[in-house]
Amino acid sequence: DVKVTQSSRYLVKRTGEKVFLECVQDMDHENMFWYRQDPGLGLRLIYFSYDVKMKEKGDIPEGYSVSREKKERFSLILESASTNQTSMYLCASSSHDRADPEQYFGPGTRLTVT
Amino acid sequence: AQSVTQPDIHITVSEGASLELRCNYSYGATPYLFWYVQSPGQGLQLLLKYFSGDTLVQGIKGFEAEFKRSQSSFNLRKPSVHWSDAAEYFCAVGATAGGFKTIFGAGTRLFVKA
Repeated sequence: DVKVTQSSRYLVKRTGEKVFLECVQDMDHENMFWYRQDPGLGLRLIYFSYDVKMKEKGDIPEGYSVSREKKERFSLILESASTNQTSMYLCASSSHDRADPEQYFGPGTRLTVT
Repeated sequence: AQSVTQPDIHITVSEGASLELRCNYSYGATPYLFWYVQSPGQGLQLLLKYFSGDTLVQGIKGFEAEFKRSQSSFNLRKPSVHWSDAAEYFCAVGATAGGFKTIFGAGTRLFVKA
């Protein structure tokens, strides 16, 4: 059974704190993604990675950074959390195989910044 | 540019009634098309996908969708809704050439009344 796991389901942090969200996949996928989900806005891509140590900015990268040191792990970093980063964060992975571009999602981390 | 429009923010149907969720996309070529479902507090699960071939695709949980190129639509249908279908539904379009990005619609929340 394919699996994408995220380190926390719920997280509460204070403004200005450095926040790490971890994502691990066990499908040997090359691509990994971080999205944030807000009501009425759907999923918006923050960053994605198509290989180890490679990263590309998505649509809303400001205030975020990422790290991918190992193929199975993709971390999202909020250098200095702000209240407007309160959101649901979803990690996903997919294969390079164009015959199977489906993304597999983790359960999400609901982050509250106070 | 790619885009996905789900014109209905929320829909309410009676249990046992039929369902159709609308999705329109904008893309220069034939895209990959997806429908995902998100139950409360969960990540996204793939319902079905279209790449090519038969324009009527069957998915899990009794859902189907029809690709209509002339209308740039990929509407999701189910003949008889169950209370457990109450969730949020996302239509998505993926690039078929270059990149690995998927663009998601804003979502349609389905309410099922007894």
